[in-house]
Amino acid sequence: NAGVTQTPKFRILKIGQSMTLQCTQDMNHNYMYWYRQDPGMGLKLIYYSVGAGITDKGEVPNGYNVSRSTTEDFPLRLELAAPSQTSVYFCASSSRGLSYEQYFGPGTRLTVT
Amino acid sequence: QQQVKQSPQSLIVQKGGISIINCAYENTAFDYFPWYQQFPGKGPALLIAIRPDVSEKKEGRFTISFNKSAKQFSLHIMDSQPGDSATYFCAASIAGNQFYFGTGTSLTVIP
Repeated sequence: NAGVTQTPKFRILKIGQSMTLQCTQDMNHNYMYWYRQDPGMGLKLIYYSVGAGITDKGEVPNGYNVSRSTTEDFPLRLELAAPSQTSVYFCASSSRGLSYEQYFGPGTRLTVT
Repeated sequence: QQQVKQSPQSLIVQKGGISIINCAYENTAFDYFPWYQQFPGKGPALLIAIRPDVSEKKEGRFTISFNKSAKQFSLHIMDSQPGDSATYFCAASIAGNQFYFGTGTSLTVIP
């Protein structure tokens, strides 16, 4: 099992550009999450999904969009990138059975200049 | 508004000592309190977690103490080792849906 994989690992965007961060999990988990991590701020939830076709906003959803067409994939879309979106982005998944344990991907470091 | 408050921001401990990190929350609907360990350049990994019906949980050298009335919980790392040097995050969740993380504690264990 590869677990949770994210692509790309690094990306530099210009202000106003758009991009999609990819996230795939091979553990057949229903729940998937997107977080951003900024220095000294911990992780903030952007969006989450409880299953294919179902998504909901987290703490900081503005400027982002998600979709969940399959159990495995949960892409995060940035439209009109802004410097405030410079961050490290983590995708996570959970089976949400008896345990709510989240498994995190390795992260994508995004810089918007 | 920070839903989960974590302290200290950084911690330096001698090898063999006890590391203690504290967290506090306000929302009594939280029903799951995990601690995550993160090494530089890696994603967080679950270390240990507790539910509010239990006051303490121990796994090896790691213990969570949970005080429901005070709305506080803490991580104790016994016999701290240099390999424990990492950033630690507490978090809280309602039914495994939304997770709220603390701001992190950078732990350095000196040999």
